[in-house]
Parts: sequence; structure tokens; C-alpha cells
Amino acid sequence: AQRVTQPEKLLSVFKGAPVELKCNYSYSGSPELFWYVQYSRQRLQLLLRHISRESIKGFTADLNKGETSFHLKKPFAQEEDSAMYYCALSGDYGGSQGNLIFGKGTKLSVKP
Amino acid sequence: DAGVTQSPTHLIKTRGQHVTLRCSPISGHKSVSWYQQVLGQGPQFIFQYYEKEERGRGNFPDRFSARQFPNYSSELNVNALLLGDSALYLCASSLGYGRYEQYFGPGTRLTVT
Repeated sequence: AQRVTQPEKLLSVFKGAPVELKCNYSYSGSPELFWYVQYSRQRLQLLLRHISRESIKGFTADLNKGETSFHLKKPFAQEEDSAMYYCALSGDYGGSQGNLIFGKGTKLSVKP
Repeated sequence: DAGVTQSPTHLIKTRGQHVTLRCSPISGHKSVSWYQQVLGQGPQFIFQYYEKEERGRGNFPDRFSARQFPNYSSELNVNALLLGDSALYLCASSLGYGRYEQYFGPGTRLTVT
């Protein structure tokens, strides 16, 4: 089965604290993982994808195939990071190549 | 570039009615995917179209259908609406078929009463 699990519905941290949003996946093939972010009243947008290995807005994520995880990390949270974060897997669900399977999302709240 | 556009923004329908949602992809993008996002959940894949052909379908009943036009815009149709169809419907476009980055529209909020 192709599945993405985000165990935390809500994560609340203080400004300047480290952040880790957890994501675990289930996929039998070679996965491609993404993190999408949705700021208040804005559309869903790509934050980063594992193949690019970029750091966007200070966030990084490493694909760990042994633990089937793709956790999102940032060393020092900022108030503007408060948003809904979705981990997604590009699979072949429903006969489609490249459709996205999303987790339920984690709401990050960064307090001043 | 305006990005992916969807219409209408919101609509309210009654149980049993039919609804059509529309999506215009980013210029040059040939693939359109539809997702349903129920409150409190992540988006769930409904359909993918590429070059006007259905390339994938999620676990949704036959009441859901879609099509893609020669200009690559797309429509999602839902017949015999149920209360459980109330959701945000997202359209995403990508350059091609496969593991291309998907760009999302703002969504259409459907409320079924």
C-alpha cells in the first residue's frame, strides 16, 4: 500500500527553537518525496523535494529509506513559518504516474 | 503568469444536484490532476489527465468524472451530490506525465446542503 503518515496534527514551538515535522511513508518502489506548505489564505505550494536536495527558507529534509522517513527540519523557527505542512509521495496509485499521496498534515505554530 | 486558476471559488449545492468545476492550467502545462480535500485531511487524488486522456483515477465513485479539453483546461463533474462531497477541490497542473512538479490552484470550496 502507498501511504504517508504525519503523526502530529499540531506542533507548537517558540521562535528560535528547532523544528522537526515527522513524515513516514509506505511505498514498494523507489519513492519521490515532497513537502508542501500552505500559509494562511494561500494556495498549496511546493516547499522542497528530496531529489533536489535544496534548502528552502532554511528547511531541509533527508530521505531515509531504511526508516522510510522524510522528516522536515529547521534549526531556528520563525513566526512566518507558521503554516500547514503536508508531506507527499509521488507514486503510481490508481494507474497514474506522478500523482501525489498526501499525509493528513501538521499545523506548525511558532510563538513569539 | 497567473498560475493555475479555478472557478468558481465557492458554491453551494443541494443533495442530488450536479456540479461542474473548472480548471485552467499554467500555460504550457499539459497535465491536470484533481484532488479532494476534506476538512482536516490532506488532499486525496481523484483524477489525472494528460493530453486529453485519463491517465489515472483514485478511489472515487462513478459519480465523479472529468475531462480535459484541447487547450488543456479541465472540468470535474460530480453527479448526485451527497453531503460527504462537501470539500475543497484542488486542481494541479504539471508540464508532463510522470514525476513532474505539480502546481496547485486556489481550489473550489463546495458545500452540499
